Amino acid sequence: EPEVTQTPSHQVTQMGQEVILRCVPISNHLYFYWYRQILGQKVEFLVSFYNNEISEKSEIFDDQFSVERPDGSNFTLKIRSTKLEDSAMYFCASSGLRYNEQFFGPGTRLTVL
Amino acid sequence: GDSVTQMEGPVTLSEEAFLTINCTYTATGYPSLFWYVQYPGEGLQLLLKATKADDKGSNKGFEATYRKETTSFHLEKGSVQVSDSAVYFCALSDRETGNQFYFGTGTSLTVIP
Repeated sequence: EPEVTQTPSHQVTQMGQEVILRCVPISNHLYFYWYRQILGQKVEFLVSFYNNEISEKSEIFDDQFSVERPDGSNFTLKIRSTKLEDSAMYFCASSGLRYNEQFFGPGTRLTVL
Repeated sequence: GDSVTQMEGPVTLSEEAFLTINCTYTATGYPSLFWYVQYPGEGLQLLLKATKADDKGSNKGFEATYRKETTSFHLEKGSVQVSDSAVYFCALSDRETGNQFYFGTGTSLTVIP
């Protein structure tokens, strides 16, 4: 069964460093998403991506964040200068149709020291 | 704005006990409702969904009914197993507010033999 994969599973970084989180969505899906979950809090929407551009983003997704689909398979989230409060689990998701169920990856745990 | 409120956990039950996890929602439009499950070390997996009022989603013995009058989508299972131990997330998507998902905080369930 096709699945969304994410790498790395855990990333530790120093405050101020850049990180890139990687995702491989399900191959025939067209809509891609990033969410995050700070420990003990809700899963929060960050951004959605369709047709090589951002279609929606939340207030969390400020200038420090960017997304890219560099090739036909990967979907990346970059944080330019990490802050302590960026420590969270980051989930990638994809869907085949716009309002259908989203398929989630296992998440990347980001720890900013 | 749209939101999901989910029963606080953690919940601990004995095997074969009845499970209810409460979920209520607030939505601008007419949302679709979902339950996702996260097993240890894995991603969020769709458990069941309902797209209109009075629809009942069901899967693996779990059920939830879309109740528009009470804005609820409670998850139930008649007889839980140890293998059901996981974190359960209620979520909605609302075409009026875009294709992002809104999640509850998650309810951790532990089933003991």
